[in-house]
Amino acid sequence: DAGVTQSPTHLIKTRGQQVTLRCSPKSGHDTVSWYQQALGQGPQFIFQYYEEEERQRGNFPDRFSGHQFPNYSSELNVNALLLGDSALYLCASSLTQNEQFFGPGTRLTVL
Amino acid sequence: GESVGLHLPTLSVQEGDNSIINCAYSNSASDYFIWYKQESGKGPQFIIDIRSNMDKRQGQRVTVLLNKTVKHLSLQIAATQPGDSAVYFCAENEGTYKYIFGTGTRLKVLA
Repeated sequence: DAGVTQSPTHLIKTRGQQVTLRCSPKSGHDTVSWYQQALGQGPQFIFQYYEEEERQRGNFPDRFSGHQFPNYSSELNVNALLLGDSALYLCASSLTQNEQFFGPGTRLTVL
Repeated sequence: GESVGLHLPTLSVQEGDNSIINCAYSNSASDYFIWYKQESGKGPQFIIDIRSNMDKRQGQRVTVLLNKTVKHLSLQIAATQPGDSAVYFCAENEGTYKYIFGTGTRLKVLA
């Protein structure tokens, strides 16, 4: 049974560019949440997707958007990248409200 | 692998001793709490959870204590092993779908 997978593992972009990160949830899970983790800090909630719709959003600008596909996989898009967007982006999947299983993350570096 | 939490509070414990990691949460309305373990280069891994109608919950070698009066959560690890070395985060729910993570504590196990 595969756990949560994310791609790519690492990514380097320059300021102003756009990026798309991908997540496949754990088998049987229908809910995907995205988090941003800056170095030395805890993960910060970006948003959660359920039934292909954004169900809740954290305090992130509209440059951060997402999508969930019918197979429950998800994408996180970030437009007009800033240096401060450099972080580890984590995807977590769940079936119930509670226990979330995290993927290994995508390390984004913005130069 | 990458380093998680370069400037986090650090708890150093001798192998075989018990570890206690503390966390203060902010929202008195939170009713669900989780402890996560994050090793370098990996996503957070679920350790144990507790609901607000409980004061204590035990797992394998781990115990979580909840004091709602002072909004304090602790994680106790019995007979700490080298494999327990990691950064530990507490998380509290905010509403139904969002989780707020603490800043984390680095646990170092000394041989």
